[in-house]
Amino acid sequence: GNSVTQMEGPVTLSEEAFLTINCTYTATGYPSLFWYVQYPGEGLQLLLKATKADDKGSNKGFEATYRKETTSFHLEKGSVQVSDSAVYFCALSPQGGSEKLVFGKGTKLTVNP
Amino acid sequence: EPEVTQTPSHQVTQMGQEVILRCVPISNHLYFYWYRQILGQKVEFLVSFYNNEISEKSEIFDDQFSVERPDGSNFTLKIRSTKLEDSAMYFCASSEGTSASSPLHFGNGTRLTVT
Repeated sequence: GNSVTQMEGPVTLSEEAFLTINCTYTATGYPSLFWYVQYPGEGLQLLLKATKADDKGSNKGFEATYRKETTSFHLEKGSVQVSDSAVYFCALSPQGGSEKLVFGKGTKLTVNP
Repeated sequence: EPEVTQTPSHQVTQMGQEVILRCVPISNHLYFYWYRQILGQKVEFLVSFYNNEISEKSEIFDDQFSVERPDGSNFTLKIRSTKLEDSAMYFCASSEGTSASSPLHFGNGTRLTVT
C-alpha cells in the first residue's frame, strides 16, 4: 500500500542552522509528493510540491527533490529562522486519480534565537 | 486571503452521543475533504466529496460517519454514536481541483474529545 515515513521529532535548531527533515515513501507508480506545514494554532498549508521524478519543489527558502531511485523527498533549508518553528508533514497523492493524501506523522521543528 | 473555517474548535461529548463538526470551505472550491489526526499518530484521510456526493472514502469512514453539504456553503461531518477511539483532531479541507493538481486548504481543526 501507500505510506510515508518521516524522521521522528522533535527537532531543535538554532537560528541560521541548516535543516534537513527526511521523508521516504512507498507507493506504486509515480505519486505526487508534498510538504505541508502547520504553524501553531493554524491549519496545515502547502509548503511545496513535486509531481514527477527529479522535480524540485521550493518555497520560502525550503527545497525538496523528488528522488525516485531512493523513494525520498527530503526537506531542506539552508538557514532557518525562528518563524520557521512549526510541524512539517510529508505527504503523497497516489497515482491513478485517488483523491486522498497520505501523510507522514509530522516533525515538530523548534528554532531558537 | 480566503480560508477554511471550522467550528467548534473543541468539542467534548459523551460516548454514544452524536456530534456534528462544521466547516465552511473556500467559496469557489469544488472538492471537500475530512481528515483526522489521533494524538501522536498520522493525519488520516476520511472522505472526499465532489459534485454533491462522496467521491472516495477510507476504511475508517464506516456507517457511523456521514457528510453533508446542506446549503451550498457548509460542509459537515456527523458521527452518529461516538466511541472513545473517535477522539482526535478533525481537519476539514477544500481545493479547486483534485488533490494531485491543486493544493488543499485546511481549516484549523476541531478537537473532539469523547469521554
